[in-house]
Amino acid sequence: QSALTQPASVSGSPGQSITISCTGTSSDVGAYNSVSWYQQHPGKAPKLMIYDVSDRPSGVSNRFSGSKSGNTASLTISGLQAEDEADYYCSSYTISNTLVFGGGTKLTVL
Amino acid sequence: QVHLVQSGAEVKKPGASVKVSCKASGYTFTNYHVHWVRQAPGQRLEWMGWIDTGNGYPKYSQNFGDRVTITRDTSASTAYMELSSLRSEDTAMYYCATLRGTFNTWGQGTMVAVSS
Repeated sequence: QSALTQPASVSGSPGQSITISCTGTSSDVGAYNSVSWYQQHPGKAPKLMIYDVSDRPSGVSNRFSGSKSGNTASLTISGLQAEDEADYYCSSYTISNTLVFGGGTKLTVL
Repeated sequence: QVHLVQSGAEVKKPGASVKVSCKASGYTFTNYHVHWVRQAPGQRLEWMGWIDTGNGYPKYSQNFGDRVTITRDTSASTAYMELSSLRSEDTAMYYCATLRGTFNTWGQGTMVAVSS
């Protein structure tokens, strides 16, 4: 199973907004509203930021939002802060009842 | 409080097998699938498979062929992941996790190093 496609890196200045894309196929991202987004700091386990495309777990800042159009999902972070610098991964369930992750995006806050 | 506690780091030789455990606490073990995800140094997250802890039915990623086996012991609230025919590329951090909506908890990770 191939990984979902994410940009390798994105960057932005504090206070700006950035968007990370996650492109799959009609067999995964496009099939269900089951896209999740994770934030991972070095040496730490991933932390759930968005689930079911656009829902935010309790405790996650409302600066994080998610959306989906067709086979591409997106994570937007507004009002960038230094602590947002991390790796971000999308994931999606597939029609084969498996899970697939994206290749990961390194966010740099300039 | 929900916790997934994994077994300790392992060093294995090429061709050997490794079995990692994941003990759950703070919730009803059989209510949520347990997934296994690995991450090689500097690399992406890679899904390996999950087990329906209720009926014991596993589902595996095709990327591992028949090298991975996931089992569970409901009496011990513990899931296991065994990876066989280890090669150097299997050197990675291995995580167990529950990945259902907001019930999203990860173990602390188990480092497996494969080296001759």
